[in-house]
Amino acid sequence: DTEVTQTPKHLVMGMTNKKSLKCEQHMGHRAMYWYKQKAKKPPELMFVYSYEKLSINESVPSRFSPECPNSSLLNLHLHALQPEDSALYLCASSQVGGDGYTFGSGTRLTVV
Amino acid sequence: SQQGEEDPQALSIQEGENATMNCSYKTSINNLQWYRQNSGRGLVHLILIRSNEREKHSGRLRVTLDTSKKSSSLLITASRAADTASYFCATDAEAAGNKLTFGGGTRVLVKP
Repeated sequence: DTEVTQTPKHLVMGMTNKKSLKCEQHMGHRAMYWYKQKAKKPPELMFVYSYEKLSINESVPSRFSPECPNSSLLNLHLHALQPEDSALYLCASSQVGGDGYTFGSGTRLTVV
Repeated sequence: SQQGEEDPQALSIQEGENATMNCSYKTSINNLQWYRQNSGRGLVHLILIRSNEREKHSGRLRVTLDTSKKSSSLLITASRAADTASYFCATDAEAAGNKLTFGGGTRVLVKP
């Protein structure tokens, strides 16, 4: 299996909702990442997990809460989001210190 | 912050022509990677070039790296309509905490 699977593909949520984005890989990668991408912009790093521990938080607001329950799964819990948080959320994985990331297809999030 | 800047921002060519895009970056790098993104979905890793390499090939792709000028180029030869996508360079640099940082991207349109 050489894929990163993200669910759901699309999500519409209200500003008072709580939702979660899920990411799964079975390539044995021990580094996993969340990126946020606005339209016609490059992906921006949010969080990095290395060996299931949070190693980088790019000063992301606390309404985004990452979780890495095991080496194959990465979640992003969302609460009290703002309309400006609407974006494509991309998950990626790689070997720790390795080269080349494998990206999922992303979750298109709309906050209303 | 963006490490890489890409040029041009957009490129329109006829099928069969070559497409060249450039990436400039600011700090010393461990490696530079190129990714393709179709229609705002996931990114696909195309090729990685290390700081001690000057040129790499993969199929119809040719990447060069000039560390003295802090720049890289991606050449797609004999383009096809299916090459229509956004192309991003991304740098892995110690100064950036070994995080993968993306440039602004080049939108390529290949007309049949």
